Amino acid sequence: DTAVSQTPKYLVTQMGNDKSIKCEQNLGHDTMYWYKQDSKKFLKIMFSYNNKELIINETVPNRFSPKSPDKAHLNLHINSLELGDSAVYFCASRSSGAEQFFGPGTRLTVL
Amino acid sequence: AQSVTQPDIHITVSEGASLELRCNYSYGATPYLFWYVQSPGQGLQLLLKYFSGDTLVQGIKGFEAEFKRSQSSFNLRKPSVHWSDAAEYFCAVGLTGNQFYFGTGTSLTVIP
Repeated sequence: DTAVSQTPKYLVTQMGNDKSIKCEQNLGHDTMYWYKQDSKKFLKIMFSYNNKELIINETVPNRFSPKSPDKAHLNLHINSLELGDSAVYFCASRSSGAEQFFGPGTRLTVL
Repeated sequence: AQSVTQPDIHITVSEGASLELRCNYSYGATPYLFWYVQSPGQGLQLLLKYFSGDTLVQGIKGFEAEFKRSQSSFNLRKPSVHWSDAAEYFCAVGLTGNQFYFGTGTSLTVIP
């Protein structure tokens, strides 16, 4: 029973394409996040949703659009992919105690 | 500026030796404090957390951390390192409003 799952695990695509990453949590949490981890392992928050409502939107290009159909799901859609978008993207779910539970990550490679 | 600092980018220790990873933060109030570990190709796993109360917190895998308000620090320690502890370690702070910030990470290498 995976607490936070992401699909796909690996994503290789050409520049200019549009792609989506899906995230689901079965922990019953209200708050979910997307993080980007660059090649130097630096982790940066991108978005946060609380009960389907966007509450954090860091300085991220508007080519990135999160969507939360319900509080258990937070998907990330990326338009017009660029080389610099290559990274590992982590989804996370936050408990009421502020602890974050992370998914396994999606390694995106843009060629 | 508000930040989470891990001054050691890379640490190498011998198996069985003690370990201390440093973390400092610069936020107005005492935030929630966390240490996470990331093994190669894996997601992040919570080692321990501090919210309030006893400043010495125990975590999984034999790790502990001590919160020192006067130094704005939350250093991670382990008395005897195992080869399986080789990984990337991240200090993190949680603030009100669901903000969450990570340090830049410390890569740990364990020598047999």
